[in-house]
Amino acid sequence: TQLLEQSPQFLSIQEGENLTVYCNSSSVFSSLQWYRQEPGEGPVLLVTVVTGGEVKKLKRLTFQFGDARKDSSLHITAAQTGDTGLYLCAGPGNDYKLSFGAGTTVTVRA
Amino acid sequence: KAGVTQTPRYLIKTRGQQVTLSCSPISGHRSVSWYQQTPGQGLQFLFEYFSETQRNKGNFPGRFSGRQFSNSRSEMNVSTLELGDSALYLCASSLALGKYEQYFGPGTRLTVT
Repeated sequence: TQLLEQSPQFLSIQEGENLTVYCNSSSVFSSLQWYRQEPGEGPVLLVTVVTGGEVKKLKRLTFQFGDARKDSSLHITAAQTGDTGLYLCAGPGNDYKLSFGAGTTVTVRA
Repeated sequence: KAGVTQTPRYLIKTRGQQVTLSCSPISGHRSVSWYQQTPGQGLQFLFEYFSETQRNKGNFPGRFSGRQFSNSRSEMNVSTLELGDSALYLCASSLALGKYEQYFGPGTRLTVT
């Protein structure tokens, strides 16, 4: 099983601040996905990154896939209270099973 | 397009009982996967179904089983429930096998007492 480690585990910031969460592995992934999960709901797909070095932007969210396709980061600019949630990265292993990181719980205070 | 629906949303069962959870995927999605989410273990893959056949299975005991119907709807069953089975069970659909982008339902919260 290819493991995905996410850091930090918890992040609490003030509205308007920037934040970055990380997703790291010792294994190469063909692609990585990022999801956001709010309490009482299922995860929602934010983005898929496929190419090493790829950068994707989704409004205030910037996703980067490492050159070696072993790591990824999610940067949020000028965070809003609506960005609060559990951020999960996921990638398919060699066994074609999707593995999820443990997640980063982000709290944006008003 | 309607999203993934799961029923029931909440369930309370007693140890030793069995439970069946239901999932309707997004229209046109043919692959359905099931996950267990707990605070301690996070999101763990249970199994994936495509064309009514189980294509992949996670590391769970045989008490956990599932099936998929010809309309792509899926059910999962847990027999002889244990306290540790208390979790959020999430169903996700994707367009096809090998398409890893998952579209999740709201989940079924199972509590075993």
